[in-house]
Amino acid sequence: LAKTTQPISMDSYEGQEVNITCSHNNIATNDYITWYQQFPSQGPRFIIQGYKTKVTNEVASLFIPADRKSSTLSLPRVSLSDTAVYYCLVAYGDTGFQKLVFGTGTRLLVSP
Amino acid sequence: SQTIHQWPATLVQPVGSPLSLECTVEGTSNPNLYWYRQAAGRGLQLLFYSVGIGQISSEVPQNLSASRPQDRQFILSSKKLLLSDSGFYLCAWSGSGQGINTIYFGEGSWLTVV
Repeated sequence: LAKTTQPISMDSYEGQEVNITCSHNNIATNDYITWYQQFPSQGPRFIIQGYKTKVTNEVASLFIPADRKSSTLSLPRVSLSDTAVYYCLVAYGDTGFQKLVFGTGTRLLVSP
Repeated sequence: SQTIHQWPATLVQPVGSPLSLECTVEGTSNPNLYWYRQAAGRGLQLLFYSVGIGQISSEVPQNLSASRPQDRQFILSSKKLLLSDSGFYLCAWSGSGQGINTIYFGEGSWLTVV
């Protein structure tokens, strides 16, 4: 499994754009990049997933450069409710089974 | 739509007592099932995963065991709990088809061993 590296924590203010970058230097050809959000005492919630270039949904964007050795989760105009831990994961996508191993994630604190 | 249910939500058990956490998935068939544990302020540790009935793989040696008696039922057990078993336990599922499959998590169970 590819190892991921993320900043331990980040601080922001309401209304700002937050970008969390994840490094995955040994990502394999068939690996996808997935981001999860976790609030205290809750299960992680799927945010976004991508393979290359840019993916956007209603809550976030995911930017993946051509070499795919890193990825950036972009949260536009964060609010207090975006305070959470964000996990970057690399999942093997060639078969139907994925054994996701979570790192310690990035703790995002949004202040007024 | 698919849903995942996990219970109990909170549990306080004495050292040496047994444990049973249950998880069921609805709205899908032949899912891959997972048990994770999260210590306070830490990341999630994969404990067990299952690709089918009766097929259990363990990731770390420990005081726990898992079983899958039915296609969409996953049970985490212990015969004698240790203090170190305290933590937040999460059940999860993913599809079993070819290609990428997102993993979805239950709401979790807080276990405190006293």
